[in-house]
Amino acid sequence: TQLLEQSPQFLSIQEGENLTVYCNSSSVFSSLQWYRQEPGEGPVLLVTVVTGGEVKKLKRLTFQFGDARKDSSLHITAAQPGDTGLYLCAGAGGGTYKYIFGTGTRLKVLA
Amino acid sequence: GAVVSQHPSRVICKSGTSVKIECRSLDFQATTMFWYRQFPKQSLMLMATSNEGSKATYEQGVEKDKFLINHASLTLSTLTVTSAHPEDSSFYICSASEGQGGYGYTFGSGTRLTVV
Repeated sequence: TQLLEQSPQFLSIQEGENLTVYCNSSSVFSSLQWYRQEPGEGPVLLVTVVTGGEVKKLKRLTFQFGDARKDSSLHITAAQPGDTGLYLCAGAGGGTYKYIFGTGTRLKVLA
Repeated sequence: GAVVSQHPSRVICKSGTSVKIECRSLDFQATTMFWYRQFPKQSLMLMATSNEGSKATYEQGVEKDKFLINHASLTLSTLTVTSAHPEDSSFYICSASEGQGGYGYTFGSGTRLTVV
């Protein structure tokens, strides 16, 4: 069974600080996605990475897929209160498009 | 962009009754949809893969007779929680993709089920 561990589980920071969230697994994924979820809502896709070593930027967010396609990171620069939410990585592998979600990182950015 | 509508958003039911949750892809066809369950402050747990025109594929530990899935058309999948009990109370979310899903899934807004 594929397992995606995220760290940290919880993070509370001040506005303007930088942070990194990690998503790790012992399994290889054909693609990995990052989502953000707000309370009472479904997750919203932020990015999909498919190539080992790939780096994608989305404004203040930088996503990296590990060379071996077993891990990924999400870096947020100059965090803002609007970045508050539950961040989830999700990976698919084994020739399927069935995504398994990570354990989640709950971020709170204080003004 | 792709939109997935989930209904109802909230439902309260009595123990022993059944509840049906609908998941619709509004502007695209989805041969495959996924159903997830989420406990408070936890991640999403995949329950089953809903396949249009065929039986759903359930994840290990998910009771197929408890959680009935029907995917009768390319735009609608339903999840019925049968003989609901308080421990079935949870946030249920569906997702769908226009293609094979390799470029992301669109999620419904979820259904908060409370069984009393």
